[in-house]
Amino acid sequence: DQQVKQNSPSLSVQEGRISILNCDYTNSMFDYFLWYKKYPAEGPTFLISISSIKDKNEDGRFTVFLNKSAKHLSLHIVPSQPGDSAVYFCAASGPVPASKLTFGTGTRLQVTL
Amino acid sequence: ETGVTQSPTHLIKTRGQQVTLRCSSQSGHNTVSWYQQALGQGPQFIFQYYREEENGRGNFPPRFSGLQFPNYSSELNVNALELDDSALYLCASSTRDRGHYGYTFGSGTRLTVV
Repeated sequence: DQQVKQNSPSLSVQEGRISILNCDYTNSMFDYFLWYKKYPAEGPTFLISISSIKDKNEDGRFTVFLNKSAKHLSLHIVPSQPGDSAVYFCAASGPVPASKLTFGTGTRLQVTL
Repeated sequence: ETGVTQSPTHLIKTRGQQVTLRCSSQSGHNTVSWYQQALGQGPQFIFQYYREEENGRGNFPPRFSGLQFPNYSSELNVNALELDDSALYLCASSTRDRGHYGYTFGSGTRLTVV
């Protein structure tokens, strides 16, 4: 049972444009949502998060939007840069200190020149 | 801070064998979690240790076991290896109060079972 889904395995965006990565979830008990970025041969790196009581969180070029009624979140990267090329994982958890993160399958973002 | 170090980086084992993977957490991080990432999948939670006690477990059989030591290191042990155990194993450490917000992941151990 895949509780967190990323339906786009890959995405290609031109440098300077907006990248939009999507994530859907099924478990209404999730309290926090996080995005991780992973380069090859490295562990996932925390990028940005959002609590279920908010609908938007922004950090520099990265913004996460949460639509609780649709059980959908998205990560916007503006403007996209070649260094953003990586695999992005959406993850969800219960209240901190939660014992586990539930990850999606990831979206590979390629930012082209 | 020295980050999270995992060893070995790559490992090949035969079906039925046992394996021990190691993780050295950041100093002060009293919580460590292990995840399995199969090819094309996201990381899946195996278990978490807090102050050397198991503190949550995912949907993995008992042949997956762990240890956490006072010096912020930990081990993941897998007995009776199966072909489906081939995956990237990730260790993540944090402090209890920050939970997953403070997660620092290691680069992982790539295990291949043949």
